This record gives sequence, C-alpha cells and structure tokens, in this order.
Amino acid sequence: QSVLTQPPSASGTPGQRVTISCSGSSSNIGSNTVNWYQHLPGTAPKLLIYRNNQRPSGVPDRFSGSKSGTSASLAISGLQSEDEADYYCAAWDDSLNGPVFGGGTKLTVL
Amino acid sequence: QVQLVESGGGVVQPGGSLRLSCAASGFTFSSYGMHWVRQAPGKGLEWVAFIRYDGSNEYYADSVKGRFTISRDNSKNTLYLQMSSLRDEDTAVYYCAKWEGYSSGWYSYWGQGTLVTVSS
Repeated sequence: QSVLTQPPSASGTPGQRVTISCSGSSSNIGSNTVNWYQHLPGTAPKLLIYRNNQRPSGVPDRFSGSKSGTSASLAISGLQSEDEADYYCAAWDDSLNGPVFGGGTKLTVL
Repeated sequence: QVQLVESGGGVVQPGGSLRLSCAASGFTFSSYGMHWVRQAPGKGLEWVAFIRYDGSNEYYADSVKGRFTISRDNSKNTLYLQMSSLRDEDTAVYYCAKWEGYSSGWYSYWGQGTLVTVSS
C-alpha cells in the first residue's frame, strides 16, 4: 500500500482535460513539495512537474501541477494519444526520511 | 546529456546476493545525491535508498534496511547497490536516479533500469 493515494486509473478523449489527484499527510505533502513523473513501461520514468507546479524544459505547458494542504493534482489539457502512460506523484516524507510515491495512475486516451 | 546506465541485474536464489551498478555521465556526479528506486511486477514505484553527494550519509527504506547497502565511487562516476539476503519480494526493476536538492527534492533523470529476479 502506497503512502500517497492516487486513483488507479483515469481516461479521456483527445483534446479533453484530465486531472489526477494525489492525497498525502502532514509529514509529506503537507510539509514538502510535490513532484510528478510520467512512466511508460519499459522506459525510464520522466520528470513532468517539480516543486508543485514547475515544468522542466521540454515539458509542454499542457501539463500543470498544483498543491493545497495535504493534496496535489496534475492536470493535462488538450489530451493527446502520446499522453497514455502511468503517472506518479511523489514527495519527501519527514517521518520516513525518504521520498514516498503514490501508487500510480494509468491514463488511457480513448 | 545526462546518462544513467544500470547493470548487474539477473536471476538469484532467495538468500543470495547481487551488486548493481549505475554508470553516470553528462553531469558532475560528485555534486549530486543519488537514489535507487524499484518497481516490482505490476506494482508502483518504491524508493529503496539514497546517498548524499559525498557519500557522507545513507538512508534506506525499512523494507531493505540491514540487507542493502548503497555506495558510490565519485572517481568512477558510479553508484552501487549491494543487495544481500534477497527475498522473493525484492524481485523488481531497479532504477538509479539523479536527485536535485536534499529533502523536498526531485528526480531530474532516471536510468532505464535493470531487472532483478529472486527465484529458486
């Protein structure tokens, strides 16, 4: 069971906007920043959002992140077929003295 | 460009040992903390271990504490994970990842992973 809670699946049609939620506690999301990773099976995970809402260079502005209290969310607008992947949230946990992940959300583009 | 290349995975019997390596290039390896993260079949990502840029401190997930040892050789730009007393549940793809910051940090780059299978 993962420390951070994400829905196991999400879906949308091309062009739609999809949001993925991530819920934690005061020892992780409540006191540290949240990061999001995109993972296609068999490949290296890729940083999508860091420090709650910052995009690395090369990540399209269709991807955005936000955080409020002990929850965070990833929004993908203008959904494209290439966005079909697993998405993970992560945050440092002060109690565990290490990063914790959500269980991952499998995004399907219908 | 940043490259992280893991090696050393394979099939090992329960109770056995294995050492993973991660060769880093494209950045000043000795300036960054490094992590190992794993993904068991059909499961999500799980943090395994973290070592500070200079090797001065190591941190482990409870699930591997006392069995795994993370280390680094900054002269060779290489990260290691020594795994012993391996269990079925250690079967996973193991990724090394470059860490930005200390706490409240993030993984800026990941390797492609190396598969470890613990089976008799």
